[in-house]
Amino acid sequence: AQSVAQPEDQVNVAEGNPLTVKCTYSVSGNPYLFWYVQYPNRGLQFLLKYITGDNLVKGSYGFEAEFNKSQTSFHLKKPSALVSDSALYFCAVRDMGGDSSASKIIFGSGTRLSIRP
Amino acid sequence: NAGVTQTPKFRVLKTGQSMTLLCAQDMNHEYMYWYRQDPGMGLRLIHYSVGEGTTAKGEVPDGYNVSRLKKQNFLLGLESAAPSQTSVYFCASRRLSSGGSGETQYFGPGTRLLVL
Repeated sequence: AQSVAQPEDQVNVAEGNPLTVKCTYSVSGNPYLFWYVQYPNRGLQFLLKYITGDNLVKGSYGFEAEFNKSQTSFHLKKPSALVSDSALYFCAVRDMGGDSSASKIIFGSGTRLSIRP
Repeated sequence: NAGVTQTPKFRVLKTGQSMTLLCAQDMNHEYMYWYRQDPGMGLRLIHYSVGEGTTAKGEVPDGYNVSRLKKQNFLLGLESAAPSQTSVYFCASRRLSSGGSGETQYFGPGTRLLVL
């Protein structure tokens, strides 16, 4: 069964420092991986995805993620954090089991990122 | 484009009452999804639809029903609300093509439901 894990409930970073939000996955076959962000009282917004190609994927707001097949990881990174990056971040994987034509997504439990000034 | 909209934004129900949550999208997307979000559990799929007139069960379908009579609308119904259904409900949609940009789901702003 497909699954995705976010081992950290919360990540705290000082503004200007690099940030990493961790994600590991378990899928059969080639994974489709995603990162979404949720700001307070808002719906989820798409940040970036890995389908195929380069292992380093660049997305919105200066975020990037590195696909590592050997470690089954897809960590989210940003070189220099901003206070405005404070939000809830979800890693997700496309569910390839069952009715794969429905393109369902399995979400991780989320990581709250807090950037202090 | 308004994108994905949800009504109502907030609702309080008593146990046993019924209600319908409405999701509408103006992007001509084929696929639509209903999720619930609970603390520490991420988003869990309730029901989904791959086209007008078709619906299917997701991970946590019990206590909910859905209908997709029009392509742009996806309704989520609670026939007899229970306190365990207190949650934030999100609707999402995506277009038909797979791979590339077609994989992105677009989310509504959510409906906060409290069942007493």
